[in-house]
Amino acid sequence: DSGVTQTPKHLITATGQRVTLRCSPRSGDLSVYWYQQSLDQGLQFLIQYYNGEERAKGNILERFSAQQFPDLHSELNLSSLELGDSALYFCASSARRGLDTDTQYFGPGTRLTVL
Amino acid sequence: DQQVKQNSPSLSVQEGRISILNCDYTNSMFDYFLWYKKYPAEGPTFLISISSIKDKNEDGRFTVFLNKSAKHLSLHIVPSQPGDSAVYFCAARDLNTGNQFYFGTGTSLTVIP
Repeated sequence: DSGVTQTPKHLITATGQRVTLRCSPRSGDLSVYWYQQSLDQGLQFLIQYYNGEERAKGNILERFSAQQFPDLHSELNLSSLELGDSALYFCASSARRGLDTDTQYFGPGTRLTVL
Repeated sequence: DQQVKQNSPSLSVQEGRISILNCDYTNSMFDYFLWYKKYPAEGPTFLISISSIKDKNEDGRFTVFLNKSAKHLSLHIVPSQPGDSAVYFCAARDLNTGNQFYFGTGTSLTVIP
């Protein structure tokens, strides 16, 4: 158990809908990262937050947004969903800002299926 | 554009033998490399890392080798055990893009008892 929790574990929805994925980092970790893993793909970095502020941005679509709250949990919002958004979404957390060699601890993921 | 590549989707090895997993990268600005292990229905778990200033890092049965001139990274597992059967991802960090990590597509290792 990495200490990172993600809810829900599975989500099935329809095209055009909007969903919210939630992540609670390990106790004391300030950084939260979101990744997408599509079929036969590696993990694609979406976005990182550090202590409530956006720190780094990867290949995140404009239909997707994220935020980190004062209690350090994070939410990833996916809107106008398309079939191609079906994937595993992982959240990871690390302790420091990332200037040193941070280890990222991953949650179990949320499997999103868009029908 | 895939900056980190794992060209072998799968690998099978006999128990007790050496497992060698390979990873190639294209970005010469990567300064930190990691290997993660992933079991089904779980998130990736950190295994071992190496800084670009080193060429080898060892942790028990796991050794990571870095060849910067060839832009090549490898993970050696000796001796391999059935519990090592999992998907292994290599990842690299480019500090110029903040703390963004780039992951390979993974290699599925099966250790045969």
